[in-house]
Amino acid sequence: NAGVTQTPKFRILKIGQSMTLQCTQDMNHNYMYWYRQDPGMGLKLIYYSVGAGITDKGEVPNGYNVSRSTTEDFPLRLELAAPSQTSVYFCASSYAVNQPQHFGDGTRLSIL
Amino acid sequence: LAKTTQPISMDSYEGQEVNITCSHNNIATNDYITWYQQFPSQGPRFIIQGYKTKVTNEVASLFIPADRKSSTLSLPRVSLSDTAVYYCLVGTGNTNAGKSTFGDGTTLTVKP
Repeated sequence: NAGVTQTPKFRILKIGQSMTLQCTQDMNHNYMYWYRQDPGMGLKLIYYSVGAGITDKGEVPNGYNVSRSTTEDFPLRLELAAPSQTSVYFCASSYAVNQPQHFGDGTRLSIL
Repeated sequence: LAKTTQPISMDSYEGQEVNITCSHNNIATNDYITWYQQFPSQGPRFIIQGYKTKVTNEVASLFIPADRKSSTLSLPRVSLSDTAVYYCLVGTGNTNAGKSTFGDGTTLTVKP
């Protein structure tokens, strides 16, 4: 049972490039989340999903897009990378909205 | 969304009991209170969750007063390995919202 798996673990992008951060979970959880964490700060919710085909914005959605075509996968897309998007990105999942969230190990993204 | 407030940092010594308090004045009727622990370069890990009164598991206790406007995480007899950042999360019980707000966390440093 792998839990929540994020790929890649590290990535360096140039300004204006695009990329997709992958997240998959094998716990059959309905809810999935994307957070970003800047150095020394707490986690801020980017997007979340309550089930396949349903997504909604969190606190800081600008510059990102998501999709949820299956229960297992919840990729996060950066279309035009900007230095302000340099951060550590965490994906999480939970069985229900009030159940504990299970986190992946994060993707450390630097945009230069 | 219920905003949370925690002390920025706390120091303790090995073997002591540590209490970390979180304020959440705008907590909604259906919200649960969840605490997470985060080590450097890792995703947050679930510690304990509660709705009211007291909850205890093998690693911590959670105290919630009747008005539910605050909660206290209690770590008995801490060790050096408990040095981490602790987050209080108040999640909405609204089925379709799924939005969760992490505070900036409390950095606990345990000294020998």
